[in-house]
Amino acid sequence: QVQLVQSGAEVKKPGASVKVSCKASGYNFTPYYIHWVRQAPGQGLEWMGLIDPSSGSTNYALKFQGRVTMTRDTSTSTVYMELNSLRSEDTAVYYCARGALSARGVMVLYFDYWGQGTLVTVSS
Amino acid sequence: EIVLTQSPGTLSLSPGERATLSCRASQSVSSNYLVWYQQKTGQAPRLLIYGASSRATGIPDRFSGRGSGTEFTLTISRLEPADFAVYYCQQYGSSPPTFGQGTKVEIK
Repeated sequence: QVQLVQSGAEVKKPGASVKVSCKASGYNFTPYYIHWVRQAPGQGLEWMGLIDPSSGSTNYALKFQGRVTMTRDTSTSTVYMELNSLRSEDTAVYYCARGALSARGVMVLYFDYWGQGTLVTVSS
Repeated sequence: EIVLTQSPGTLSLSPGERATLSCRASQSVSSNYLVWYQQKTGQAPRLLIYGASSRATGIPDRFSGRGSGTEFTLTISRLEPADFAVYYCQQYGSSPPTFGQGTKVEIK
């Protein structure tokens, strides 16, 4: 079965960086984009960007450009999301999610499987 | 980017009742590319509906979606205890994909 398993919770100080991993299993890794979505405590969902595991190409939300880097390791079917210059407002649960394919096999921008989430707490 | 506004913020209902959730877009959603997710406390979102009206794999038929353009609705025909959760709509017709702020369905 499709699974996305994320790394554990992190506590970081303001100004630091965090790197969260997302290991995929149960399906062919490369055809499906992986997205990152975050959720601040008690708040809604916010799309951060995506990576194409096949090519490594990325597309980041404007808000995070210059501060986020998404990479992948095809040998382990793992995707990474690194966020720099952390501030208290970055405290959130970070989810990786698999991008769905349309009936015609085209990538679409919604998410059919999600990781369990990784809580990142930014506090001095 | 497209802004999605969900209403009501909270819906208080009893098991067995019908729930109707609304999602309004700031501009027309291309090809009715709208999905609904269910999120329970401490869990990741779960895909319910895609393409505004198609149920995802394994989703019971008491969940239905409809709508087009800027107005979309999720209906739960008869609420079961497991359905009390927060529901989010999300558009994927244009980038960036955006989410509504959520509707909480709580037990009355």
